[in-house]
Amino acid sequence: AQKVTQAQTEISVVEKEDVTLDCVYETRDTTYYLFWYKQPPSGELVFLIRRNSFDEQNEISGRYSWNFQKSTSSFNFTITASQVVDSAVYFCALSGTNLGMNYGGSQGNLIFGKGTKLSVKP
Amino acid sequence: DSGVTQTPKHLITATGQRVTLRCSPRSGDLSVYWYQQSLDQGLQFLIQYYNGEERAKGNILERFSAQQFPDLHSELNLSSLELGDSALYFCASSVATETDTQYFGPGTRLTVL
Repeated sequence: AQKVTQAQTEISVVEKEDVTLDCVYETRDTTYYLFWYKQPPSGELVFLIRRNSFDEQNEISGRYSWNFQKSTSSFNFTITASQVVDSAVYFCALSGTNLGMNYGGSQGNLIFGKGTKLSVKP
Repeated sequence: DSGVTQTPKHLITATGQRVTLRCSPRSGDLSVYWYQQSLDQGLQFLIQYYNGEERAKGNILERFSAQQFPDLHSELNLSSLELGDSALYFCASSVATETDTQYFGPGTRLTVL
């Protein structure tokens, strides 16, 4: 079955510290997609990044960077020089593509981790 | 702003009642997804529609139903409501299906008293 584990329930840092949010996934799909979403206190879910299983290059977007390692089934997210506005719950999610397989494949819907609540204090 | 709209933003109702949540996808998106977010279950996929047809079903209760209309907006109907149905209900949309990014609406917070 598909599963996403975010072992860190809550993280608290002081502004300007770097912080890494961990995500470990399980899937039997040969092609799959990984995502990170941010849920600020206002409640909406904001898309941050999508990565397919064939692209293991790390990605950097401003203060955000993502490290995808297929060998360890991990897709970790690092915020450099954190700011108070980064305070939110961050979700890692997995989407598979093996349609019709009768083993509980996601068939495209997102499987979310439990989320990591990040608090950045001034 | 993701471009996905949901109404109403908040809904308070009583046990046993029926409510309808509405979602308009981003312009051009053919797929609509419904998710439920609760404290105990986290974010769970309920159902997906693609161009008016049901495409995938998740942990959706029999008391819940959904549909996607010709103009591609979608409605989620929740009936015989129970206290445990209190949750944040999200709609998401994507261009087509499983290889595309899902963009989420602001959610409808349902409180069942």
